[in-house]
Amino acid sequence: AQKITQTQPGMFVQEKEAVTLDCTYDTSDPSYGLFWYKQPSSGEMIFLIYQGSYDQQNATEGRYSLNFQKARKSANLVISASQLGDSAMYFCAMREGGQNFVFGPGTRLSVLP
Amino acid sequence: DTEVTQTPKHLVMGMTNKKSLKCEQHMGHRAMYWYKQKAKKPPELMFVYSYEKLSINESVPSRFSPECPNSSLLNLHLHALQPEDSALYLCASSQDAGQGFGISPLHFGNGTRLTVT
Repeated sequence: AQKITQTQPGMFVQEKEAVTLDCTYDTSDPSYGLFWYKQPSSGEMIFLIYQGSYDQQNATEGRYSLNFQKARKSANLVISASQLGDSAMYFCAMREGGQNFVFGPGTRLSVLP
Repeated sequence: DTEVTQTPKHLVMGMTNKKSLKCEQHMGHRAMYWYKQKAKKPPELMFVYSYEKLSINESVPSRFSPECPNSSLLNLHLHALQPEDSALYLCASSQDAGQGFGISPLHFGNGTRLTVT
C-alpha cells in the first residue's frame, strides 16, 4: 500500500496567488515526521519544511506553510504569493521513527506569469 | 549554496568503463545516503551509511559499490553499468540514520546526471 499519496500530478497557479499541494500519508506509528522537498529542473532536492507528529502548531517557513491535519492524515503544503521560481517538482516525504524516508510520487507545479 | 557537494555534475560512460561518483558533506552528519532517481519519479534509496558503516543495501546490483572513507565522504564506484542505469544519482546526509526516534531531514547534494552508452 502507498504510504504517501500525492493526488495532483500537475498543478498550475498564477503568479502572486497562493497554491496548496496535497499530501496524505499512512502510518500506525505515533512518532513520525513529514517533509516537503522542491526539485527544480536542475535536479537538486531542496528541503522546504518539516512537521513532527507531536507538534501542536502547523510549521511555517517564509512563504511555505504546512497544513497538518493529523486525524485526516494529511500534510498539505501551502505556498503563498507564488513566484516564477517556484515552478518545480514537489515531493512529500515521511519518516517513521527508526525507519527510512518514504517519498510520494510528486506534484509538478507550474507558475504562470 | 548546498552543504552537500557532489562531483561530477554530469558523467557519460560506456558499459565497460569504471568510474566513481563522489559526495562530501561538512554538516557533521552521521548518516549518508545514495539515491537513484529516474525522470519524473521520486528518489529510490540505494544505500545508507550510519557512522561510516553500511547499514542498508536495498538489493542494489553489485555493479554499484559504495564506499565511506570517513564521516564526511561517500563514494559510489560504478563498473559494467547498463543503459538502464542512466539516471540522476543523489547523495544525501542527515544527522542520524533513524535509529530510535530520529526525525532529522535529509539534505541533498545537486546530483550527478549519469548517462550509460
